[in-house]
Amino acid sequence: QSALTQPASVSGSLGQSITISCTGTSSDVGSYNLVSWYQQHPGKAPKVMIYEVNKRPSGASNRFSGSKSGNTVSLTISGLQAEDEADYYCCSYTGSSTWVFGGGTKLTVL
Amino acid sequence: EVQLVQSGAEVKNPGESLKISCKGSGYSFTTYWIAWVRQKPGKGLEWMGRIFPSDSDTTYSPSFRGQVTISADKSTSTAYLQWSNLKASDTAMYYCARLEGIPLWGQGTLVTVSS
Repeated sequence: QSALTQPASVSGSLGQSITISCTGTSSDVGSYNLVSWYQQHPGKAPKVMIYEVNKRPSGASNRFSGSKSGNTVSLTISGLQAEDEADYYCCSYTGSSTWVFGGGTKLTVL
Repeated sequence: EVQLVQSGAEVKNPGESLKISCKGSGYSFTTYWIAWVRQKPGKGLEWMGRIFPSDSDTTYSPSFRGQVTISADKSTSTAYLQWSNLKASDTAMYYCARLEGIPLWGQGTLVTVSS
């Protein structure tokens, strides 16, 4: 199946808020709330920031939030900080016992 | 501590075989699917397949079916990813991950295939 669609890059200034979108289809994002978001710094393993669309694990900053509308999920980061600069990936269950990732979004903090 | 710990980095020649591991601890290993995820240098994450350790039920991405084998040993809470004929194009970081419930990832295993 095709990867979920994410913007290649987004940027924002310190203290601002940004939103990263992730678009799938009615067969994956649109049908299941099994969508997660991962932050990955260079040379590091992915770190879960949001799971099941809008749940935040312990250890993840409350500046991160998730939402869903139709076949699109979004990750919002408020009060941007320098350490938020990283790659972000969405991931969704597809319903045919498979999962799919988004292509990734590079966040630049200005 | 709930964690997935992967085996160390590997350097192999083309045509060789390889089996890397992922050991779970701190939770009921047999009740969650374990996925394998590939990340080629400078590229994104790719879901390769998954296994249910309780009965070794396995699902593969069409892109990886026939290229790798996923297995598990529930007695040791360990999942495996193996190749029988490595290619240079298999050079990548490989992660094991529990994608359901509260997601959990291993630290990654770097596989380098070069002559």
